[in-house]
Amino acid sequence: QVQLQESGPGLVKPSETLSLTCTVSGASIRSYYWNWIRQPLGKGLEWIGYTHHSGGTYYNPSLKSRVTTSVDTSNNQFSLKLNSVTAADTAVYYCARWGETSGIKAFDMWGQGTMVTVSS
Amino acid sequence: EIVLTQSPGTLSLSPGERATLSCRASQSVDSSFLAWYQQKPGQAPRLVVYGASSRATGIPDRFSGSGSGTDFTLTITTLEPEDFAVYYCQHYGSSPVTFGGGTKVAIK
Repeated sequence: QVQLQESGPGLVKPSETLSLTCTVSGASIRSYYWNWIRQPLGKGLEWIGYTHHSGGTYYNPSLKSRVTTSVDTSNNQFSLKLNSVTAADTAVYYCARWGETSGIKAFDMWGQGTMVTVSS
Repeated sequence: EIVLTQSPGTLSLSPGERATLSCRASQSVDSSFLAWYQQKPGQAPRLVVYGASSRATGIPDRFSGSGSGTDFTLTITTLEPEDFAVYYCQHYGSSPVTFGGGTKVAIK
């Protein structure tokens, strides 16, 4: 059974860096593309970007200048860093698997989400 | 960037009724990359349909997806109490991944 679990600080100060980690169990992190998606409370979903164990990344152009993602194959984890945060970055952050390796061209597995608030 | 417009914003129906949700793309898209998700309050989205018309694992057959080009539909033939939720369409292509604004299926 595949499970994804986000972890990281729930509160980040303005202008600082938001850092989250997603731990994957039940699947090899080498086999898929791994994504970050966020959702401000009461609003819709925004894709942040994906990362692959090969080092490949692709980010939403609206966030590209502030986003960095990476994969830690030894711990079956991937991570997100978003710098220079403002209140507009306050949201629930989800990690999700792009299931194309399994023939599913969609986000087929999701973490439960973690709330991150940007405030001083 | 492809914009996905979902309608209606809210659909108020009773259990047992049929729900028809629309997702319109700003330009023609590859339907193999069109998906629908269900989200209940406090939960992560759950994949319902991928490739425009293929049901995800564990999704009952009262859910069906259809469409091509710019117009896609998610149909729930007979609403069950657990189907009341927000539904999002999503596309991945040469532009960034985009989501529609969502349709809330509410109990009437």
